[in-house]
This record gives sequence, C-alpha cells and structure tokens, in this order.
Amino acid sequence: DVKVTQSSRYLVKRTGEKVFLECVQDMDHENMFWYRQDPGLGLRLIYFSYDVKMKEKGDIPEGYSVSREKKERFSLILESASTNQTSMYLCASSPTTPRSSYEQYFGPGTRLTVT
Amino acid sequence: QQPVQSPQAVILREGEDAVINCSSSKALYSVHWYRQKHGEAPVFLMILLKGGEQKGHEKISASFNEKKQQSSLYLTASQLSYSGTYFCGTSRLPPGGATNKLIFGTGTLLAVQP
Repeated sequence: DVKVTQSSRYLVKRTGEKVFLECVQDMDHENMFWYRQDPGLGLRLIYFSYDVKMKEKGDIPEGYSVSREKKERFSLILESASTNQTSMYLCASSPTTPRSSYEQYFGPGTRLTVT
Repeated sequence: QQPVQSPQAVILREGEDAVINCSSSKALYSVHWYRQKHGEAPVFLMILLKGGEQKGHEKISASFNEKKQQSSLYLTASQLSYSGTYFCGTSRLPPGGATNKLIFGTGTLLAVQP
C-alpha cells in the first residue's frame, strides 16, 4: 500500500514564526505536491516537485517555500506565518507511468492554526 | 483558472442517481476525479483522457467531452458510502513528469441519506 505521511495532524503556531510541514512517501514516486484546502475554495496547489531539488510554483506560492533534498521527502516552509495561512495542508505524491493512471496519493493532512 | 463544478451540493436518498459536472474555459487534455470523505484524504476515482472516452468504477462512471471542455461524473443507485466531496482535477497537458500537476475544482458535496 502506498503511504504518504505528514509530520503533524494538528499544529498551532504564532504569527511570525517559521513553520515546517514535512511529508514523506514510501513508494518511490517522482512527483510530490503541496495543497491547501479551504472551505468553498477546493484544493489549491502551492508547490509541485517533479524530481529531487526540482520545484515549480503552483497557483498560490506567495508566503511559502519548499525543499526536496531526497526523493521521498517534500517539505513546505512558511517563512513567517500569518493568520491568513490558517488552513488544512495536504501533501500528495504520484508516479509518472501511464499504467498508474497518474493517481495522486494524499496524506492525512495537517490542520495549521496561526494565532 | 479553476474548473467550475456544479452543483455545489446535492442531497440524495439511497438508490437515487446524481450527476456532477466539471467545466473549464480552457482546452483540456485530461480530467481526474477524486472523492474525499469527511475527515479523510481525497481518494482517486478515475482519469479520463482526451478522446471522449467513458470510464466506470463500481456504479460510478464518467465522460469527457473535450470539445466542450466538460466532464460529468455519474453516480447510479447511490449508496450511503458515496457521501463525500467530489473534486475534479484538470490538466491541459499530457500527463507525465513535470506536467503532472492538476488544477482542482471547488468541489461538490454529496450527501446520501437512508
């Protein structure tokens, strides 16, 4: 079974703090993604990585950065957390082979609250 | 630009049918459907590629009309387990490598009642 794990289910941080969200997948997938999910807005892509050290901005990258030093791990960094970054953060990974239907496997999510 | 899903929410009785639509203003190469149950992660249902194909997954099937940039998800004889939020994800490029990212719609909440 593919497994995508996220470092925390719930996180509370103060405004201005630097926040690290970690994601690990165990299926040797090339692609990894960070989304945020807000009511009424669906899933919005923050950043995408298609290989180690390779990253691409998604639709809402402002205020975020990412790091992928190893294939299995993709980190999302909030340089200076703000209250408007309070959200559910979902990590996903996917293979790049047609046989897999390019399915994205999601982690359980991290509910981040910034006070 | 996010695809538009309709309806935003639908309530069904067990055994009833439903259709969820996903429309884009841009030409699409593929449409992906996911379901997210309350408190859980989204789970992949199916992918439809350019060519107007139709696919099925249990009693859930979908179609993709690339000329209209629209996909529809059909749920027949709904069961309680179908409850959740359904998302479509669209891509304008063939899948593979650096082009695997999707733009997801805002979701359709489906509630199936006994």
